[in-house]
Order: sequence, then C-alpha cells, then structure tokens
Amino acid sequence: GAVVSQHPSRVICKSGTSVKIECRSLDFQATTMFWYRQFPKQSLMLMATSNEGSKATYEQGVEKDKFLINHASLTLSTLTVTSAHPEDSSFYICSARVEDRENQPQHFGDGTRLSIL
Amino acid sequence: GQNIDQPTEMTATEGAIVQINCTYQTSGFNGLFWYQQHAGEAPTFLSYNVLDGLEEKGRFSSFLSRSKGYSYLLLKELQMKDSASYLCAALDSNYQLIWGAGTKLIIKP
Repeated sequence: GAVVSQHPSRVICKSGTSVKIECRSLDFQATTMFWYRQFPKQSLMLMATSNEGSKATYEQGVEKDKFLINHASLTLSTLTVTSAHPEDSSFYICSARVEDRENQPQHFGDGTRLSIL
Repeated sequence: GQNIDQPTEMTATEGAIVQINCTYQTSGFNGLFWYQQHAGEAPTFLSYNVLDGLEEKGRFSSFLSRSKGYSYLLLKELQMKDSASYLCAALDSNYQLIWGAGTKLIIKP
C-alpha cells in the first residue's frame, strides 16, 4: 500500500493563483522529504529537500520565494507555488524515505499535475 | 561532472527478456536504484544495489559492477503492463541522488 500520500492529484487554475500541495507520510515519521518537478518526457528534477523544523534546502536555480516549502511536522510537508504562471505547469512529486537513512529508497506520492491557464 | 546514461527507448516482445543498461559517473558512490514509472504516474521503487553482483526479485533482476560504473535491469517474461519508463539513479558520496533521464520500454504483443 501507499506509504506517501500527496494531495491534490490535479489542479487547474488561473495565472496568478497560489497553489498548495500537501505531502504526508503514512504510518512513519519523515524528518526529510523531497520535492521534484517533472516536465513531459523528462526525468525527475529535484527542486528542494524539506527538513522538519528547519528551512528547506533548495537546488540551484529554484526560486525560494516562488516555491515555498513548510515541513512543520514529522508527517507533513507542503509546497506552495506562489503566483503561478503557465511556465509553472508541470508534474510535482514528493517523496520520503520510510527509514531516514540516506541509502534507503525514496517512496513517492502519486504526484500533482498542475496546469496554469 | 556527474552523469547517468541510459538508452532513451527500447522495444521488446511480450514474453521475452529485455536488459536495460545504465552507466554512471559520480563523485563517490553509495549505491544505485532502479525505479519504474508508468505514464502520468509517480515512480515506484524496484531495486537497490550497492555491492557487485546480481539481485533477483521475481521477474526483475538488477546487476551492478562498481569497477565499470555499470548496472542493468533485467526483465523476464515480459508482460504488457511492463510498458513504462525505467529510471536509473545513483547515490554519490554526499548521498545526493543523481537521476538518469529514463528508458521508455515499449512492449509489443
């Protein structure tokens, strides 16, 4: 069964809207969660590493003020795409490791398909 | 720089065997993952190798050669539902996951 739950699965909204995506770990605590973006026919691109109780670590080229990450509890991380524009349309996926050891596999949420009109 | 290479696309026949290769160049190495991703869905974990050799899991097996910077995913008795992209990802010395672009596998009847 699923170990990571992501919501919503699909969002369609107007340009300028802010969109919040939730990622929850089910039945385990995740001090670290990961946020990825994937454009059609391309591989996963890590956007940021979300750390419980502290600031997220963003990858080079990812705007911190544009993609706000909050990891307020051990089971929930949120990604807010602020003032979204059509170029932000993409497939956003979160992941977590059931055991917080770095050589453990990441388990992914079902992803959120974001379409900005 | 760090790099993962895998073929863009492969085609195989239902019931057959297919091998998807992956070569990696990373600063340090802490293991290699294979994930399966169906179109429009998130990736699912298939295997992890950190030692040389073959790991078998049912119809899927994964092989690693650290000295050659090489891995492959072997799929036996192919089924139509195996049509998907297969992502290779290596963990570098900082435990950063370096992702390949994925291999799209097309299964024909």
